[in-house]
Amino acid sequence: GAVVSQHPSWVICKSGTSVKIECRSLDFQATTMFWYRQFPKQSLMLMATSNEGSKATYEQGVEKDKFLINHASLTLSTLTVTSAHPEDSSFYICSAPTSGDHNEQFFGPGTRLTVL
Amino acid sequence: GQNIDQPTEMTATEGAIVQINCTYQTSGFNGLFWYQQHAGEAPTFLSYNVLDGLEEKGRFSSFLSRSKGYSYLLLKELQMKDSASYLCAVMDSNYQLIWGAGTKLIIKP
Repeated sequence: GAVVSQHPSWVICKSGTSVKIECRSLDFQATTMFWYRQFPKQSLMLMATSNEGSKATYEQGVEKDKFLINHASLTLSTLTVTSAHPEDSSFYICSAPTSGDHNEQFFGPGTRLTVL
Repeated sequence: GQNIDQPTEMTATEGAIVQINCTYQTSGFNGLFWYQQHAGEAPTFLSYNVLDGLEEKGRFSSFLSRSKGYSYLLLKELQMKDSASYLCAVMDSNYQLIWGAGTKLIIKP
């Protein structure tokens, strides 16, 4: 199947700093990528839809100025958590649908963010 | 509103069979997905149903009834490695995935 990578796998940062997470589709082009957040023992929560060459679409309650998304190419989307705080500590996962029959989504391995 | 319901937790015995149910109410329907997620890892794709009936893939099978808004994931010959959370997700009319909260499956020897 298709491969999606994420970098870094985990990151620890101090409160107030910014963290950039990269999501890459390695063997297919993705005009759309999705960013999710998952808190312990909870399901995936869609944060935003990243669209290549245009602005991201944010879900209700997600601050677009805090979670900056850039989808500069057909294989790369980045999520920057600005001025991170401990409550932003979570598991961030990206996914990209393929252009197959049923738009199956392939997930990156996730990035565990811990804000001290 | 849109809603996906599945049990929070289930326990089963190694070698046995378990069925995880999922009911949904969404605005439109473009398919139902089952994903497996081990703790600390990203979800991995298990199955996709868009037509009524049973899809079998090895030890895992998935069933869909669109008229009832119902699906189940059937796991046979359970192995300890099957201990994970199983996520049900429905793609709505906007091709957006609506996720259930997941069912944590505990396998006992």
